[in-house]
Amino acid sequence: AQSVAQPEDQVNVAEGNPLTVKCTYSVSGNPYLFWYVQYPNRGLQFLLKYITGDNLVKGSYGFEAEFNKSQTSFHLKKPSALVSDSALYFCAVRVDSGYALNFGKGTSLLVTP
Amino acid sequence: GAGVSQSPSNKVTEKGKDVELRCDPISGHTALYWYRQSLGQGLEFLIYFQGNSAPDKSGLPSDRFSAERTGGSVSTLTIQRTQQEDSAVYLCASSSSPTSGRIYEQYFGPGTRLTVT
Repeated sequence: AQSVAQPEDQVNVAEGNPLTVKCTYSVSGNPYLFWYVQYPNRGLQFLLKYITGDNLVKGSYGFEAEFNKSQTSFHLKKPSALVSDSALYFCAVRVDSGYALNFGKGTSLLVTP
Repeated sequence: GAGVSQSPSNKVTEKGKDVELRCDPISGHTALYWYRQSLGQGLEFLIYFQGNSAPDKSGLPSDRFSAERTGGSVSTLTIQRTQQEDSAVYLCASSSSPTSGRIYEQYFGPGTRLTVT
């Protein structure tokens, strides 16, 4: 079965500092990996995806993610955090038996001024 | 352009009643998905529609749940005889055809918050 794990329930970072939100995956076959962000009382917004090719994927709002096959990880990063980045972040993998996404439990990011 | 829209945004219903939740996907998107987001279970896949193909219902938690997609566009998720454990946010998403060989991201609506009292 395809699955992702987000080991941190919450990540705290000061504004201006780099941020990392962790995600590891478990798949059979090629992984198709996604990051989404959810602001309070809003739906999920797509940030970026890894399908194939370069291990460093750039996405919306200055976010990027690094695909690491040996460590089965797909961590989300941003060089300089903003207070407005505070939200709930979900890592997801596309299942191989269909086209739906399996989501991690989410990581709450809090960026303090 | 317009994104995925869902209605109602909030729904409060009594246990045992039936409810219908509506989703309008992005124009031109052939794939439509329903997910459920709850505190205890996180984000769960419910059902997937692609064009005129038979839907993938593998995520529906019980036979009280059903969904239709009319004309390849609007979808309705119906929950019969609602139970308190059905309380959750129901999210709809759409994408370009995932059967084309390309991997497309899904775009989500704002969700319907269902509360069963």
